[in-house]
Amino acid sequence: DSGVTQTPKHLITATGQRVTLRCSPRSGDLSVYWYQQSLDQGLQFLIQYYNGEERAKGNILERFSAQQFPDLHSELNLSSLELGDSALYFCASSDLAPDTQYFGPGTRLTVL
Amino acid sequence: DQQVKQNSPSLSVQEGRISILNCDYTNSMFDYFLWYKKYPAEGPTFLISISSIKDKNEDGRFTVFLNKSAKHLSLHIVPSQPGDSAVYFCAASGRGSTLGRLYFGRGTQLTVWP
Repeated sequence: DSGVTQTPKHLITATGQRVTLRCSPRSGDLSVYWYQQSLDQGLQFLIQYYNGEERAKGNILERFSAQQFPDLHSELNLSSLELGDSALYFCASSDLAPDTQYFGPGTRLTVL
Repeated sequence: DQQVKQNSPSLSVQEGRISILNCDYTNSMFDYFLWYKKYPAEGPTFLISISSIKDKNEDGRFTVFLNKSAKHLSLHIVPSQPGDSAVYFCAASGRGSTLGRLYFGRGTQLTVWP
């Protein structure tokens, strides 16, 4: 158990819909990262937050947004969903960067 | 643009023998490297890391070697056990625009058979 929690574990929704994925980092970790794992792209970095502020952005679509709250949990919002957004979404946390990132169990999103 | 590459999608090793997983990278800004192990339906689990100031790091049965001039790292597992069967990901991070984020290879499926 990494100490990082993610909910929900599975999410099935339809195209055009909006969903929110939630992540709680390990106790004491200030950084939260979001990654997407799809079959054809592997694990891709989406976005990083540090103590409530956006720190780095990767291959994140404009339809996607994230935030980190004062209690350090983070939410990833995916809107206008398309079939190609079906993937595993992982959250990771760390204390300082560069540092080891610890991953949650992931949320499997299926868009029908 | 795949900056971290694992060219072997799979590796099969007999129990008790050595498993060697390889990884190459292209970005000279990378200075911190990690290996993760992943089982199906679970998140990646951290195994071992190495900083670019070292060329070797050991942790029990796992050793990571770094060859900076060749931009190559490898993970050695000795002795291999059936429970090691999983997908292994190499990841890298570094300075500047690469700071914080991890760049992952596509993974190598290790199968350890009795």
